[in-house]
Amino acid sequence: DAGITQSPRHKVTETGTPVTLRCHQTENHRYMYWYRQDPGHGLRLIHYSYGVKDTDKGEVSDGYSVSRSKTEDFLLTLESATSSQTSVYFCAISAGGPRQETQYFGPGTRLLVL
Amino acid sequence: AQSVSQHNHHVILSEAASLELGCNYSYGGTVNLFWYVQYPGQHLQLLLKYFSGDPLVKGIKGFEAEFIKSKFSFNLRKPSVQWSDTAEYFCAVITAGNNRKLIWGLGTSLAVNP
Repeated sequence: DAGITQSPRHKVTETGTPVTLRCHQTENHRYMYWYRQDPGHGLRLIHYSYGVKDTDKGEVSDGYSVSRSKTEDFLLTLESATSSQTSVYFCAISAGGPRQETQYFGPGTRLLVL
Repeated sequence: AQSVSQHNHHVILSEAASLELGCNYSYGGTVNLFWYVQYPGQHLQLLLKYFSGDPLVKGIKGFEAEFIKSKFSFNLRKPSVQWSDTAEYFCAVITAGNNRKLIWGLGTSLAVNP
């Protein structure tokens, strides 16, 4: 699926610790996204990127930061993890030309904050 | 605000029953429409998409969806479901000028009994 990998796939951490999730793509897509998925909330956009060093906030960006120093990697950092950030995190890329953009998803990272 | 509504939160069917999942969006301009499926424990996979042209779109695994512009709807259908269709189904929309950001419905959980 669009050559997207996420690491780690599972992580357990403690409240207050920093956590970095990595999304890696192999097909040189310009747009990348970080979502979180929680029961009853569907998918919510955290941050997205439209190019190297070009990022913007989504609807639930508080407590999260991102970086994109290379086209292929989009990092999501929880500066100080909280229990409310326990979730499944999905990375996505957008492929396709103008007015035909389609998002494809990575396998996800399950994060448990104790 | 732009939004996507999926009216059925939980659907239970027997094998061979017909399926229709509702999706309505609120936006008066040009839209691209998507249905994604998420099998238990897996990531989201694209079922089908509509950009333009024939409003009846066929996707993978025998699914289809019909875009009815006058009703702002993009309902998902399958004439005969299988146990393996048990999954969560998400409708999503990209609106013009939204910088490739998807607007998501909250999902419909489908359980198919053998």
